[in-house]
Amino acid sequence: DIVMTQSPDSLTVSLGERATINCKSSQSVLYSPNNKNYLAWYQQKPGQPPKLLIYWASTRESGVPDRFSGSGSGTDFTLTISSLQAEDVAVYYCQQYSTNLYTFGQGTKLEIK
Amino acid sequence: QLQLQESGPGLVKPSETLSLTCTVSGGSISSTNYYWGWIRQPPGKGLEWIGTISYSGSTYSSPSLKSRVTVSADTSNNQFSLKLSFVTAADTAVYYCARLPGGTQKSWYFDYWGQGTLVTVSS
Repeated sequence: DIVMTQSPDSLTVSLGERATINCKSSQSVLYSPNNKNYLAWYQQKPGQPPKLLIYWASTRESGVPDRFSGSGSGTDFTLTISSLQAEDVAVYYCQQYSTNLYTFGQGTKLEIK
Repeated sequence: QLQLQESGPGLVKPSETLSLTCTVSGGSISSTNYYWGWIRQPPGKGLEWIGTISYSGSTYSSPSLKSRVTVSADTSNNQFSLKLSFVTAADTAVYYCARLPGGTQKSWYFDYWGQGTLVTVSS
């Protein structure tokens, strides 16, 4: 299995400031023939199902605010929220789908300072 | 708008089989390309993928659960189902069903989710 490790486990950021969450995979999730990274990011608010934010490591899902962006390649990825809003308080998960045995990171809890 | 809804018993006894159904509306589970999956989340913990079924009926499941998991589809009712046998307290979790776009590029991320259903394993 590919193990996904997120850092930090929790993060406290002031409103309007940048939040950065990291995700590292135990092996590359880049598929060379199409140059795509098989990595997605989700946001989960309390009592709700996860919501897809980013797929292919950097493609924003329709309707997701442009303050959310994804970057990285191979084994190292980053989710960035450029200017934190109160409604961004949530747990964020990365997920690899480079094989048909998908795995999630352990989650990063984002709170307001 | 695609909607998914989980249903099934909220309480299952240890050693018995957990059975859940996901009813899909606003789209067909037989549509070419799409995959359908189950994910669970123990209280206060992270997400764990359980299993997936493709539009053609191929199934995949987590190696850690494979011996106990069955995912199947009922295309006539536009539903897919999960059976998890020999459950223990460790299987207590919110169970979600979700759609995967699939396709030729193997878009195996989850773009639509049900609201989830809590299943407690207890005698």
